[in-house]
Amino acid sequence: EVQLLESGGGLVQPGGSLRLSCAASGFTFGNYALSWVRQAPGRGLEWVSGIRTGTTTYYLDSVKGRFTISRDNSRNTLYLQMNGLRAEDTAIYYCVKGTGDTGYYFDFWGQGTLVTVSS
Amino acid sequence: DIQMTQSPSSLSASVGDRVTITCRASQDINSYLVWYQQKPEQAPKSLIYGASSLQSGVPSRFSGSGSETDFTLTISSLQPEDSATYYCQQYRKYPITFGQGTRLDIK
Repeated sequence: EVQLLESGGGLVQPGGSLRLSCAASGFTFGNYALSWVRQAPGRGLEWVSGIRTGTTTYYLDSVKGRFTISRDNSRNTLYLQMNGLRAEDTAIYYCVKGTGDTGYYFDFWGQGTLVTVSS
Repeated sequence: DIQMTQSPSSLSASVGDRVTITCRASQDINSYLVWYQQKPEQAPKSLIYGASSLQSGVPSRFSGSGSETDFTLTISSLQPEDSATYYCQQYRKYPITFGQGTRLDIK
C-alpha cells in the first residue's frame, strides 16, 4: 500500500524558514517523480514544485529562489526547504506521487501538513 | 503557462441527475488531462486520467472526454456521495496547472 506521510509544518513568522519532509513507502521510491501541491485555506489546488527521478527540478514562479525541492532515494524521503516565507505561502502542503518520470499525473496524495505564515 | 478554466464554478443537482463539468486549456494539451475529486478535509483523489481513462476503483458513472483544449467530466447518475469539489489538471508541461475547481452540491 502506497503511503506518503508529510511532516514539518507549523507556524512561522514572515521571512522565516521551514523544511517539509515526506516519508514514502509501498512503492519503489527512486522510480517515480514527486511533487508538492498546496492548498490555501478555502482555495483551490496549486502545484508548487516537482522533482524527477534524477535531479531535475521544477518550480512555480512565485517560489523560485525561495523554495528548494530535493529527494533522498536511500531514505525514501522527499523534502521541501522553504525560505523567505510570506503570508501567501500559508496553505496545506501535500506530497504527491507521479505515475512515472515524465508526462505523469498524481496517483497518490499524502494527507498534508499545514504551514501558517503569520506574525 | 497553461491556464485551465473550469465551468461552472459551482452547481447543485439532484440524485440521479446527469452532471457535466467542463474544463478548457489555454493551449493544446493533447490528452494530458486528469480529473480529481476532493471531499472536505480530505486529499484529492484521481478519477479520470489521460482525459478519458477511468482510474481503477472509480465507479463507472464517472467518465471523461475531450482532447486538445476542451474536456468534459460527466457523472451519469449523481449519487449522494458525489458531493465534492472537482478539479481538472494538465500535465502536458510545467508548470503543472489546475482549474479553479467546481463545487458540486446535492439538492
